Amino acid sequence: EDQVTQSPEALRLQEGESSSLNCSYTVSGLRGLFWYRQDPGKGPEFLFTLYSAGEEKEKERLKATLTKKESFLHITAPKPEDSATYLCAVQAALSPGAGSYQLTFGKGTKLSVIP
Amino acid sequence: DAGVIQSPRHEVTEMGQEVTLRCKPISGHNSLFWYRQTMMRGLELLIYFNNNVPIDDSGMPEDRFSAKMPNASFSTLKIQPSEPRDSAVYFCASRGQAGELFFGEGSRLTVL
Repeated sequence: EDQVTQSPEALRLQEGESSSLNCSYTVSGLRGLFWYRQDPGKGPEFLFTLYSAGEEKEKERLKATLTKKESFLHITAPKPEDSATYLCAVQAALSPGAGSYQLTFGKGTKLSVIP
Repeated sequence: DAGVIQSPRHEVTEMGQEVTLRCKPISGHNSLFWYRQTMMRGLELLIYFNNNVPIDDSGMPEDRFSAKMPNASFSTLKIQPSEPRDSAVYFCASRGQAGELFFGEGSRLTVL
């Protein structure tokens, strides 16, 4: 069974204080690892997809990296508007024709950035 | 594009009543997903459709839950009869070309 564990559950940072969020996963062959941002009362918003170990993606103050067992979301000099819950999800590679596009989500890290 | 549109945004009902949640996916997206989110369990996949056909409904908790997709632009998730433990936020999502999901804003269901 695919599993995704995110840590920490919650993180409080001062504005400008850089840090990293962790996503550990076990999956029978990784097709893709996805990062989403979720604001209160909203649906998750897509940030990045990573496909293979060593890959990195960047967007503004966020950088996502991937190894064979985990992914990190690095936040550089965060601002209060970066406060949100960050969700990680994995898609397993299945045999051709299985047609499954399921994503297994972690429970998220709630990030609070204090001015 | 308007994105994924869900209705209602909030629903409060009494135990035993029927609940119908609605979703309009992004035009051109061929896959549609229904997820449920709770504090305890996070986001759980209930069912997904590919080209309007249900592919995997193993996440549907029990027979009280049913979902339909009569055409490419509309899907419903029905709970009959509803129970207090069904209280959650229900999300609909459609899938982009790179495999990423685009979520609606959710329907918050409270069953009293």
